[in-house]
Amino acid sequence: QKEVEQNSGPLSVPEGAIASLNCTYSDRGSQSFFWYRQYSGKSPELIMFIYSNGDKEDGRFTAQLNKASQYVSLLIRDSQPSDSATYLCAVKKLTGGGNKLTFGTGTQLKVEL
Amino acid sequence: EAGVTQFPSHSVIEKGQTVTLRCDPISGHDNLYWYRRVMGKEIKFLLHFVKESKQDESGMPNNRFLAERTGGTYSTLKVQPAELEDSGVYFCASSQGQGISYEQYFGPGTRLTVT
Repeated sequence: QKEVEQNSGPLSVPEGAIASLNCTYSDRGSQSFFWYRQYSGKSPELIMFIYSNGDKEDGRFTAQLNKASQYVSLLIRDSQPSDSATYLCAVKKLTGGGNKLTFGTGTQLKVEL
Repeated sequence: EAGVTQFPSHSVIEKGQTVTLRCDPISGHDNLYWYRRVMGKEIKFLLHFVKESKQDESGMPNNRFLAERTGGTYSTLKVQPAELEDSGVYFCASSQGQGISYEQYFGPGTRLTVT
């Protein structure tokens, strides 16, 4: 079982719709959760992170964390074609894990006109 | 503020040769990380520097890989001798501190192709 699981996609949504990206993790000791966006051939760009149960909003983006279910998601409202990219979920576990990030393989999002 | 920079952007070498990758972190970031993504796989951690000291090198695949960060500024990652399975994209990241709320900022990566 992979430590961080994401559906590879592609996830296709129409422009203006809500895109929902999901991530599950296996280690209950994981403490913080990061969403990165990566355009083809570019560096991963941090969108937001969350470490408390519940929702965290930043502009069009909302991260949701449910530690009991070991589930974290990213919602993108009013999706734009420029949001088309691969979205990487990463987790950090300080105790016994140091500061390293453990990544999923990413979900490719396509926002269609 | 300049972001994380990496050099070269792309390197093609033959099996058995040596390659050195360089990373310049964001100014003032004591924490520097190396990661690697091989084709079709997830990005994987290699090691973590705090200033010039290796804090965690649990992800280094074998002793053909040598990372240094002399003076606690830029870092180099040397692969010697390179093997075919070393091909991939090598990312460097830096962060201001450690802990659950510190973000890591990534560089553009070096694409290494070993033929």
